[in-house]
Amino acid sequence: GAVVSQHPSRVICKSGTSVKIECRSLDFQATTMFWYRQFPKQSLMLMATSNEGSKATYEQGVEKDKFLINHASLTLSTLTVTSAHPEDSSFYICSARGWGGYEQYFGPGTRLTVT
Amino acid sequence: KQEVTQIPAALSVPEGENLVLNCSFTDSAIYNLQWFRQDPGKGLTSLLLIQSSQREQTSGRLNASLDKSSGRSTLYIAASQPGDSATYLCAVDGGTSYGKLTFGQGTILTVHP
Repeated sequence: GAVVSQHPSRVICKSGTSVKIECRSLDFQATTMFWYRQFPKQSLMLMATSNEGSKATYEQGVEKDKFLINHASLTLSTLTVTSAHPEDSSFYICSARGWGGYEQYFGPGTRLTVT
Repeated sequence: KQEVTQIPAALSVPEGENLVLNCSFTDSAIYNLQWFRQDPGKGLTSLLLIQSSQREQTSGRLNASLDKSSGRSTLYIAASQPGDSATYLCAVDGGTSYGKLTFGQGTILTVHP
């Protein structure tokens, strides 16, 4: 149980375009989803926290107009990187937590490369 | 602000050795601490989660301990195998706010045959 999927697993896009990444909880309802970013040889940094039906809460230094997060249902959250630039190239990982739970379950990650 | 440090940054051992990975955190007001494994280019695999009221958790060859008052946790791996080679991440929930994980930089483990 507690499986989280991400789609796509890899995406290459041109500078200036927008990219959407999906995060799904497959076998449980995720009241809260988290989005992390990981640069090469670095650890995970939390970008934002989203609760179903509410606006996301962004960490300091993360541009909310650039990284649009939607959590419209209990099983799906999306991260849209708008007007992507090469410096946005990174590994994006989501996690999900269910009702009353304390453990986060992580997706397999999405490798974004902006050319 | 919670800060998590892992030592050593990298470790290379021969197969069969027992080893210890260390994790320290600055704010002891945590809810839980979790150890993860990450293979290159992959997501995270949860290994062990220790609640703040617990002192240790065990799963197979892995044992994690938690000393909340001193802000430390250790991950003990017994009889290491080449398949254990990966990056091991320690993450703390709490100190800053509930539900937000703060990760350490990781320990890159290589177990050679």
